[in-house]
Formats: sequence, C-alpha cells, structure tokens
Amino acid sequence: AQSVTQLDSHVSVSEGTPVLLRCNYSSSYSPSLFWYVQHPNKGLQLLLKYTSAATLVKGINGFEAEFKKSETSFHLTKPSAHMSDAAEYFCVVWSGGTSYGKLTFGQGTILTVHP
Amino acid sequence: SQTIHQWPATLVQPVGSPLSLECTVEGTSNPNLYWYRQAAGRGLQLLFYSVGIGQISSEVPQNLSASRPQDRQFILSSKKLLLSDSGFYLCAWSTGAGYYNEQFFGPGTRLTVL
Repeated sequence: AQSVTQLDSHVSVSEGTPVLLRCNYSSSYSPSLFWYVQHPNKGLQLLLKYTSAATLVKGINGFEAEFKKSETSFHLTKPSAHMSDAAEYFCVVWSGGTSYGKLTFGQGTILTVHP
Repeated sequence: SQTIHQWPATLVQPVGSPLSLECTVEGTSNPNLYWYRQAAGRGLQLLFYSVGIGQISSEVPQNLSASRPQDRQFILSSKKLLLSDSGFYLCAWSTGAGYYNEQFFGPGTRLTVL
C-alpha cells in the first residue's frame, strides 16, 4: 500500500523569499516520488522525480526536493519565489509491486506568491 | 516528441445527458493510459487505467465507463450524467510498467453538469 500526505493545503510567501512545500509518504516498496505543478485550468506538469539515484533532486524552474528515507519525506524547495510560481503543487508516489504505474496523489498545496 | 490531446476543452451538459470525452496520444506506442477526475478541493482521483487495447481497469464504482478502441485513443463515457460528475477531467499516459513511471498529462476538460 502507498499513501502521500501534503502537510499544508495553502502556503503563502513573498516574492524573492524561499518556498517550502512539505510532503510525507508511506510505501511498501522502494518508491518513486514526483512533484507536479498545475496552473489554473491546465494539465499537470512534471517538476522533478526521485527514482533511487541521488537523494537531492533538481527540477525545472529552480525547484529541488530531497528524499529522506528516515523521515519518509520528500519536501519541495526553491530559494527564491517568483510570481509565476503561484500554482497548485502535487506530491505523488509510485511504489511498483503490482501497481502497474498507478500513482497516488497528495491533496495538493496551493502556493500564493505576494509581490 | 510525444503529445497528448483532449477534447473538448470545456463542456456544459444537462443532468441525464450522455457524455463522451476523447484523449489521443501521439509519438509513442503501447502507452498506459489513465483518466483522472479533479473535483474542487479534492485532489486527483484515478477513474480508469488501461495497459492495452480493450483492457480497462476501473478504480471506483460510478456511472462512468472507459474504452480504448485504438492503441493511442482513450474515451471516457457516460449514459446519464449526474450533478456529481462535474469536475476537471485529465487524461494521462506513461510508458509500460517500470521504475521510472512518471505520467504525462493532457490539458484537461472542464465538465459542468447543470
């Protein structure tokens, strides 16, 4: 079984300040973990993915995430927020086994960026 | 490169009317295909997935159905829409089962049932 919990439903930051979006997961197998971003009325875009290589994963648009097995966490960070980062972010886990590519999505975190 | 299309982009339908949403993928063969629904404030819910032509797995009981008549075509249908069917419907594809199993999403269809 697998599950994912995004600890904040809303995060608000000022432009130029750091961003932290928190995600915890549970998985019966070694997981693959992803972060997706969704702008209003758009599809989801992959930001980054962890697949058991380096634990610090760099993605697009300056985002990165660190896989911490001991804490079962995969938090998303960015050093300096831009207005264009305002969107909804989804943490996603896939843990193989017989899941045949079925992903489990968190409930999403809405990021607001203030000027 | 691979692309995924969905249509229509928006749809307003009365309760009790039928539904057909279409998704096609270009630039890849034998993809896994998925239908998700995203209701306001409720994240993404997997509705159906398919690993091949004519092979459909349903994740939740509902009045929706899915079909895969061709390798890169995935259709979501209903005979009679309910108010609760309103939402944002997303189609996605991935390569076959494997460790690097990210999914690629289409632009979505906004369905409003009145």
